[in-house]
Parts: sequence; structure tokens; C-alpha cells
Amino acid sequence: QSVLTQPPSVSGAPGERVTISCAGTSSNIGAGYEVHWYRLLPRTAPKVLIYGNTNRPSGVPDRFSGSKSGTSASLAITGLQAEDEAHYYCQSYDSSLSASVVFGGGTKLTVL
Amino acid sequence: QVHLEESGPGLVKPSETLSLTCTVSGGSINSYYWSWIRQPPGKGLEWIGYIYYTGSTDYNPSLKSRVTMSVDTSKNQFSLNLKFVTAADTAIYYCARELMTRVPQFDYWGQGALVTVSS
Repeated sequence: QSVLTQPPSVSGAPGERVTISCAGTSSNIGAGYEVHWYRLLPRTAPKVLIYGNTNRPSGVPDRFSGSKSGTSASLAITGLQAEDEAHYYCQSYDSSLSASVVFGGGTKLTVL
Repeated sequence: QVHLEESGPGLVKPSETLSLTCTVSGGSINSYYWSWIRQPPGKGLEWIGYIYYTGSTDYNPSLKSRVTMSVDTSKNQFSLNLKFVTAADTAIYYCARELMTRVPQFDYWGQGALVTVSS
């Protein structure tokens, strides 16, 4: 059971917009801690897509955007492409747990 | 561009010690925190802990009694030892560079090493 809750799967057709939610609590996202987002592909180094809730590292297309409100955060992907099919994870910090770095359970994005 | 690569046995017997090494290239291991993160089959990511280039460490309390990390700055490598493994320790193990921002983030990762615990 992950500390941050993500939907197990989402899907969309090429060109569409999808969002992936990341639900937390008052001891992590709701406490003001920032959220980072990563993309995982098999046999490939994970990549950070969004850091600090809304910031994109250099080289990440502006099709990817992040937002945060209350105890939740979201990753939005517009203009969906086949290459976006992957697993996506959110990550934050929790002040109530001894293991302060916490991840979501991951979301599998399928491009139809 | 910083590159990380995990190496070590892909199969470990129950009750034995899992040992992995991460080699850092394209940049110095100095002045950074270096972490291990794992992903059991079908499950989410779990932070195992970090080691600073000076050798100071912080471990996930759920694993603390079994984890040891070390660093060799002369080889630009850091290592993970996890003792008394069980099938529950079967996972893809990633090494990553951890940036100590207000909320730690991982900006460079290795591609992961699958370690299976089985007799």
C-alpha cells in the first residue's frame, strides 16, 4: 500500500489529453510538500518529468505539465503520442513517517 | 551527462546477502547524495536509503536492520548490501542521484537491475 494514491491505469487516444492524479494527505502533499513526477519504461533509466509541482527539466516537452491543489497533485499530458505509453509515478515527502521519501503506486498509461 | 549503471548478481538465495554496485560516470560522485530505490514485481517504488559521498547514510526504517551502504570515491562507485533476503526482496533495484531539495528528488537514475531471491 503506497502512501500516495494513483489510479492503476489511464488511457487515451493519440492527440488527446490525459491526467494522472496523485492523492495524498495532510502530512505530505497537503502539508505543502512538493511533488515530483517520473516516467518508467522497461530496461530504461527512469526520467524526471516534473519537479517542484510544476517545473519541467530541460528537454521535457511542454506537453507535460504538473499541478497541485490541496492534498492532491496531477500530471497532465496533452497531444498524446504512442511513445508516452509508460508507467508514471509521483513522489513527495511525508512528515509523519520515518521513511520520509514516499512514492505513489504508479499509473500505467496506455495509448489506444 | 551523468550516467549510472547497476551491477551485481541477478539471483540470490534466501537468507543470503544481496550485493549491488552502482558505477557513476560523466560526473563526480563527490558533493552528492546517492540512493537506492527498488520496485517489486507489480508494485510501486520504495526508497531504500542514501549515502553521501562522505559516507554518511540514512536508511528506510523498514529495512534499516538489514541494509548497509558504502561508497568508494576513488572508483566513483557506491554499493548496497541487503542481508537475510527473502522472496519479498525480489525487485528491480535502481541507483539514483538524490538532490537534497526541500523535497528530495532523483535527477539521474540507472536503468535498474533485476534481483531474484530464490533457491
